[in-house]
Amino acid sequence: QKEVEQDPGPLSVPEGAIVSLNCTYSNSAFQYFMWYRQYSRKGPELLMYTYSSGNKEDGRFTAQVDKSSKYISLFIRDSQPSDSATYLCAMRSDGNKLVFGAGTILRVKS
Amino acid sequence: DGGITQSPKYLFRKEGQNVTLSCEQNLNHDAMYWYRQDPGQGLRLIYYSQIVNDFQKGDIAEGYSVSREKKESFPLTVTSAQKNPTAFYLCASSTYGSSYNEQFFGPGTRLTVL
Repeated sequence: QKEVEQDPGPLSVPEGAIVSLNCTYSNSAFQYFMWYRQYSRKGPELLMYTYSSGNKEDGRFTAQVDKSSKYISLFIRDSQPSDSATYLCAMRSDGNKLVFGAGTILRVKS
Repeated sequence: DGGITQSPKYLFRKEGQNVTLSCEQNLNHDAMYWYRQDPGQGLRLIYYSQIVNDFQKGDIAEGYSVSREKKESFPLTVTSAQKNPTAFYLCASSTYGSSYNEQFFGPGTRLTVL
């Protein structure tokens, strides 16, 4: 079993939809939870990061962490075609090593 | 502009050849990382370095080698011992410490074995 599980999709939604992206994990030592966005043939860029449990909002993006269920989510409101990308969840414990999910391909159709 | 540069963007290699991928950063970061990305598998850590002249193996180090002679530079050599080297290679850097340290990524190098 992988430490971090993420459905690779692709997930296809119409413009304006609310998108929900999710990851589950098995290592209870993870404390930092991140979402990266990666456009085709580019390096990933950090979208949001959360420490421990709770919600964090930044514009159209909301990150949720539920440590009791070992489950994290990223919600995108009013999705736009420019949101079409691969979304990677990543986690780490005390060290600097990140563990990544497989990434979910999102396609927002205009 | 501060950032991470990787070169070349595309690299073609014949079987049996060693190739070296370049990674340079001007962010004054102590830590640098190399990842491999294959379709449907996310990013897997090859090697990382927390300080000059020191580096550690990641999860898939076999067939790869690195050096860290300068803080700004962390080149990756893909040796002929790597049986399936065709992939997208990403370099990253971060500050180092026990609190959260964002990893910044370069644009990547796509390696294809002919």
